[in-house]
Amino acid sequence: AQSVTQLDSHVSVSEGTPVLLRCNYSSSYSPSLFWYVQHPNKGLQLLLKYTSAATLVKGINGFEAEFKKSETSFHLTKPSAHMSDAAEYFCVVSDPRGGGGADGLTFGKGTHLIIQP
Amino acid sequence: SQTIHQWPATLVQPVGSPLSLECTVEGTSNPNLYWYRQAAGRGLQLLFYSVGIGQISSEVPQNLSASRPQDRQFILSSKKLLLSDSGFYLCAWSVGTGEAEQYFGPGTRLTVT
Repeated sequence: AQSVTQLDSHVSVSEGTPVLLRCNYSSSYSPSLFWYVQHPNKGLQLLLKYTSAATLVKGINGFEAEFKKSETSFHLTKPSAHMSDAAEYFCVVSDPRGGGGADGLTFGKGTHLIIQP
Repeated sequence: SQTIHQWPATLVQPVGSPLSLECTVEGTSNPNLYWYRQAAGRGLQLLFYSVGIGQISSEVPQNLSASRPQDRQFILSSKKLLLSDSGFYLCAWSVGTGEAEQYFGPGTRLTVT
């Protein structure tokens, strides 16, 4: 079975400082990994995707994530936070053989990112 | 380009009333379609998914049902709403399997009173 753990339910940073949202996964295979962002009362938007190519993945809005197999982690980072980054972020693992839902997707519970002015 | 529509955007319904939420996708053929529910302060719960017309798989037992009458149309229904059905309902689509990312609609906020 596969699983994904977002280590922080809430993260608060000041505008202009770095952002780190942590995600650990468990999978018996080589999964694909995603980060999604959800602004209040909106749908989820894909930030970035890892599919066994480069381990450092660049996404939209200045976000990037690094796949570390030895640590089973896929942490999301951004060098400088903007007020518009305030949202809910979801880490997702995908492996059709891993026992998740449709297409083997398993969602984390989300991390609420708060940006202080 | 592909787009996904959901309506209505918001809905307030009394307990025991019926429900019909609609989702349509444009710009792609034979997509996989999904219904999720997001309750307040909780993550996403997959309710139904469909890999083709008339093919529906249910992930959790509940008083909701789903139908796919056309290739790019996915409908979520209930005959009698419960208070616990309140939440934010999201439709999503994907193409292929495994590594395929899902693309989400804008969502419907349902409040059952």
